[in-house]
Amino acid sequence: DTAVSQTPKYLVTQMGNDKSIKCEQNLGHDTMYWYKQDSKKFLKIMFSYNNKELIINETVPNRFSPKSPDKAHLNLHINSLELGDSAVYFCASSQDHLSGNTIYFGEGSWLTVV
Amino acid sequence: GDSVTQMEGPVTLSEEAFLTINCTYTATGYPSLFWYVQYPGEGLQLLLKATKADDKGSNKGFEATYRKETTSFHLEKGSVQVSDSAVYFCALTRGPSGGGADGLTFGKGTHLIIQP
Repeated sequence: DTAVSQTPKYLVTQMGNDKSIKCEQNLGHDTMYWYKQDSKKFLKIMFSYNNKELIINETVPNRFSPKSPDKAHLNLHINSLELGDSAVYFCASSQDHLSGNTIYFGEGSWLTVV
Repeated sequence: GDSVTQMEGPVTLSEEAFLTINCTYTATGYPSLFWYVQYPGEGLQLLLKATKADDKGSNKGFEATYRKETTSFHLEKGSVQVSDSAVYFCALTRGPSGGGADGLTFGKGTHLIIQP
């Protein structure tokens, strides 16, 4: 079983559309994250949730809205998609948000906005 | 703020060569240090980690030692294989004395190409 699974893996959509990426972890972890990897492979944290509560919200446009219905799920909804949103989005989880805990990543969702 | 600096590639080596990918960091408190690997078209996998000074992380023939005095965590492997071709990311999470961990801060990644 995949520990951190996210869907869809590939998504091609037009500018202005609204889309969601779903993420689920079956590791029993308390903390989940969304990271964005740009075309130069640079990775940057977007959000993190601990037990369904938001603990990190980096400088991300408010078109991006995470939703955590329970601690095993953290979905990412994006409104009014723009060309610059094209990237790979990684979901991840860790036991808790303390330093030293390994963060486990999903396989990524490749978003292309045309 | 926290930052991680690593050599940018691509780094091209022949099979069985010795590999070093340099990584240095800036962080408050006592960070934990990680190397992640991303194979072509795949997600991120943890390669190894070290949580305190002088710890050595190792996995699949790769090693890295947490050097607090030089704020470094260089990745090494004695004999690389074609299958090691990937992008390698050095990363840290900030320790409790720095206000708690806020996820991973990544370096920009080093693209490694191993030729037969």
